Amino acid sequence: SQQGEEDPQALSIQEGENATMNCSYKTSINNLQWYRQNSGRGLVHLILIRSNEREKHSGRLRVTLDTSKKSSSLLITASRAADTASYFCATVKNAGGTSYGKLTFGQGTILTVHP
Amino acid sequence: DVKVTQSSRYLVKRTGEKVFLECVQDMDHENMFWYRQDPGLGLRLIYFSYDVKMKEKGDIPEGYSVSREKKERFSLILESASTNQTSMYLCASSGTSGLREQFFGPGTRLTVL
Repeated sequence: SQQGEEDPQALSIQEGENATMNCSYKTSINNLQWYRQNSGRGLVHLILIRSNEREKHSGRLRVTLDTSKKSSSLLITASRAADTASYFCATVKNAGGTSYGKLTFGQGTILTVHP
Repeated sequence: DVKVTQSSRYLVKRTGEKVFLECVQDMDHENMFWYRQDPGLGLRLIYFSYDVKMKEKGDIPEGYSVSREKKERFSLILESASTNQTSMYLCASSGTSGLREQFFGPGTRLTVL
């Protein structure tokens, strides 16, 4: 089964509003990453948060990580129509030096931002 | 900029055909990955490689094999394509140091008839 599970599965908002997506996972992790995928295209890395970090910012993105609850959230502030995409969380397990950075993906949240 | 390229954006093959999907990265990355993406199932890891000629099975390796003869190139092979292998195939690469973020190619949408 997938390590990361996103919530909600779909989110529809107006331009200018904030969008929040949540991710839960099951096992101990080294880091958690968020990716964006535009329709029918490859994934683009957005942000990485390590297991010893609680919050990280990048432009209009804010990611939080709560390892005690095994959950993360991605906040996109002042959303734009161009933010319309699928968003995935992905985890790297805490497996010492042998994980090779393997990612386990959730099923994603489809975000639609209406102009 | 890191660039990961895949040989085809769209591919249509017949059941039983041998299919090669090629992936090339230009960042001298050690690790390369093949995923398939299906609606409702997300991305699932098929195989990955952490060095030339080295490979390891992912979560769903059945029906697939891989080849990595050169560091920059990672091939996914469907020995005898079946209709249940119709999917979007995504290749990715990452380095061994630093953040381990993965860089993805644009994907190949494979249809097996």
